Amino acid sequence: TQLLEQSPQFLSIQEGENLTVYCNSSSVFSSLQWYRQEPGEGPVLLVTVVTGGEVKKLKRLTFQFGDARKDSSLHITAAQPGDTGLYLCAGAVPGGKLIFGQGTELSVKP
Amino acid sequence: GAGVSQTPSNKVTEKGKYVELRCDPISGHTALYWYRQSLGQGPEFLIYFQGTGAADDSGLPNDRFFAVRPEGSVSTLKIQRTERGDSAVYLCASSSGAGAADTQYFGPGTRLTVL
Repeated sequence: TQLLEQSPQFLSIQEGENLTVYCNSSSVFSSLQWYRQEPGEGPVLLVTVVTGGEVKKLKRLTFQFGDARKDSSLHITAAQPGDTGLYLCAGAVPGGKLIFGQGTELSVKP
Repeated sequence: GAGVSQTPSNKVTEKGKYVELRCDPISGHTALYWYRQSLGQGPEFLIYFQGTGAADDSGLPNDRFFAVRPEGSVSTLKIQRTERGDSAVYLCASSSGAGAADTQYFGPGTRLTVL
């Protein structure tokens, strides 16, 4: 069974602080995706990383895929209240289905 | 353009009843996925359709759960003899392909509550 361990589960920080969310597995994934989910809505894709060692930046968000394609991290610089939400990592397996981590509930206080 | 839509948005039912949850994917998307998300958890895969056929139903928890996609577009997830443990948000996603890098677009989900 392929599992993704995501940490931390909860994170409450002040506006302007930096944070990192981790996603780890013992399995190799074809790609790893990061989603953000707001209450009452479905997850929305932020980024897909495919190549081991790949780094992608999306404004203040930096995503990294581990060299062995088993782990990933999301780093947010100078967090803002608008970043508040549930962040999910998901590994893609052959056939396209996604294996999700448990999610990180981020709260950024002004 | 229109995204993935799901109906109803909320469904409250009694233990033992039958429910149907509907998903309208993005037009032209051949792949359709159903996931279930319990409170405080990430979504859990249930079933995946490529066209009209179920390509992978390994995530369906038991034979009370069944899903169809008869014309390769709209899909219905059917749950018989509902149990309180079935309470969750049921998410549908569609994509233009089933490759690992193909983006899945999620609907807002149906919140199912079994009393």
